[in-house]
Amino acid sequence: GENVEQHPSTLSVQEGDSAVIKCTYSDSASNYFPWYKQELGKRPQLIIDIRSNVGEKKDQRIAVTLNKTAKHFSLHITETQPEDSAVYFCAASRGNFNKFYFGSGTKLNVKP
Amino acid sequence: GAVVSQHPSRVICKSGTSVKIECRSLDFQATTMFWYRQFPKQSLMLMATSNEGSKATYEQGVEKDKFLINHASLTLSTLTVTSAHPEDSSFYICSARDIGTDTQYFGPGTRLTVL
Repeated sequence: GENVEQHPSTLSVQEGDSAVIKCTYSDSASNYFPWYKQELGKRPQLIIDIRSNVGEKKDQRIAVTLNKTAKHFSLHITETQPEDSAVYFCAASRGNFNKFYFGSGTKLNVKP
Repeated sequence: GAVVSQHPSRVICKSGTSVKIECRSLDFQATTMFWYRQFPKQSLMLMATSNEGSKATYEQGVEKDKFLINHASLTLSTLTVTSAHPEDSSFYICSARDIGTDTQYFGPGTRLTVL
């Protein structure tokens, strides 16, 4: 089955700095990679996703890059704000079965 | 955006009882729903895939007779924890896949505490 590894487990940045979270996956058939943000006690919310036919996707301060050859993908948050503080999860899936395999999560703390 | 609800949000029960958790897609149809379990400060662990009109598919190590899943309509899936024990205490989250997309939308979760 798929194995998704996520690093780092915790990340502290100063407000305004950039944050990068990295994930690797093992199944070369995975073709959909979403990122979720989960605030304490709340549901995970989709913040951005990327498919295997695209190398990079950007949405305002958030971007995701994908390297299919190396089987890794990364989340980039620029100009971080305190409200970005949360746990972020990456996931990988094959389109047809659509099971999501989640990374272990990264707790991001943005210090004002 | 798509909305998924879960009921109840919290439940406390005695050991040996059964608990049913409902997951509903409110504004879209979902042929596939997923059930996850999340321990404190840990990731989401996929328990099973719920398919409308057919049997659920369970992940390795998940007891299908203990965690009964029924997906009776395109907007409702239920998870029943049978003969619950304290080790079943956890945060259970469902998600629903919007037909025609790969995106999963999560419910708010159910905190189960078994005494």
